[in-house]
Amino acid sequence: GNSVTQMEGPVTLSEEAFLTINCTYTATGYPSLFWYVQYPGEGLQLLLKATKADDKGSNKGFEATYRKETTSFHLEKGSVQVSDSAVYFCALSERSNTGKLIFGQGTTLQVKP
Amino acid sequence: DTAVSQTPKYLVTQMGNDKSIKCEQNLGHDTMYWYKQDSKKFLKIMFSYNNKELIINETVPNRFSPKSPDKAHLNLHINSLELGDSAVYFCASSQGSSYNSPLHFGNGTRLTVT
Repeated sequence: GNSVTQMEGPVTLSEEAFLTINCTYTATGYPSLFWYVQYPGEGLQLLLKATKADDKGSNKGFEATYRKETTSFHLEKGSVQVSDSAVYFCALSERSNTGKLIFGQGTTLQVKP
Repeated sequence: DTAVSQTPKYLVTQMGNDKSIKCEQNLGHDTMYWYKQDSKKFLKIMFSYNNKELIINETVPNRFSPKSPDKAHLNLHINSLELGDSAVYFCASSQGSSYNSPLHFGNGTRLTVT
């Protein structure tokens, strides 16, 4: 079945460091890919998305490119802030009319001042 | 002006009890979901409704019964609660149920069964 695998956390960085969180997926067909962020005590918020190969999603300084050849959707940010500390989830949506999202296990990011 | 709201935020109860979690969205979306997040933060879909019609029912015990009285509400009733039901339950909504529709999540209900 379809699945999403993220790098193990927690990831601890100093402010202004470069961030990469790896995400790879297994899917039949051409899924849409998403990154969601969960701040402490809150629900998930959409961070960015890409719906076809080579698309780049971007938002708030975060970027991710849909790589079909490597089945990856790695999240990057050039300079993290303390306020970026959260749990990041990679997810895929199968090409069906159910809206179902399959999530990775989440990666906790802690940014220290 | 909360878009997806769940009540209660915390729910502590004993094994064997029956409880409900309510969810309402004011985004005008026609699709709503329940997700379960376990202690390791892994998220898994439980149910999905589109225009009050059930479209996803994952392998969830029969003790869990969703009810959608209208497009803006999706409640979750749980009978005979067990210790393993302890988790954070998230309600979400989307406009349509296509693969491109991003989900909007509520802040979650933390259920603790003792």
